[in-house]
Amino acid sequence: QKEVEQNSGPLSVPEGAIASLNCTYSDRVSQSFFWYRQYSGKSPELIMSIYSNGDKEDGRFTAQLNKASQYVSLLIRDSQPSDSATYLCAVPNFSGGYNKLIFGAGTRLAVHP
Amino acid sequence: DADVTQTPRNRITKTGKRIMLECSQTKGHDRMYWYRQDPGLGLRLIYYSFDVKDINKGEISDGYSVSRQAQAKFSLSLESAIPNQTALYFCATSRTGDDGGYTFGSGTRLTVV
Repeated sequence: QKEVEQNSGPLSVPEGAIASLNCTYSDRVSQSFFWYRQYSGKSPELIMSIYSNGDKEDGRFTAQLNKASQYVSLLIRDSQPSDSATYLCAVPNFSGGYNKLIFGAGTRLAVHP
Repeated sequence: DADVTQTPRNRITKTGKRIMLECSQTKGHDRMYWYRQDPGLGLRLIYYSFDVKDINKGEISDGYSVSRQAQAKFSLSLESAIPNQTALYFCATSRTGDDGGYTFGSGTRLTVV
């Protein structure tokens, strides 16, 4: 089992709809979770972080965390064509005593007008 | 100027050649990372360094070496390039105590022929 798993997509949604992106992780001790957005040919940029069970909202983005189910999701409300990108889920890994991020393969989101 | 600068941006090299990818940062971050990105596989960690005297292997270090010349500089070398090292390479930085907010460079697209 991969440490961080995401559906590769593409996830296609119409403009104005809610896009739901999902991520599961294998390390039960993980305490923090991150979503990065990566436009084609560009570098990843951090858009959300979440540490506690429940929801965290930031503008049109909501991150949802369920540690018991080892599941984290990202909701994008009122999706816009400019949201079309690959979304990477990242979870810290503490092997070897060092904290570094492990990334999922990413879900490609396509928002069509 | 970019906070994290990678050079070169693009490089085509021949099998068996030695090549160095360079990364420099003005963020003042102590931690630096090298990832490679392949379609469908996401970002995979090659090497990471938490300070100048600290170098650690990531999940895919075979065929690569690194040098942390200063807090601001972290270079990745391919001693004898092979075609399956063709990928997009990203350098990233973070600060000890930060919550996973990595800053990524613009990437180096490497092609080994």
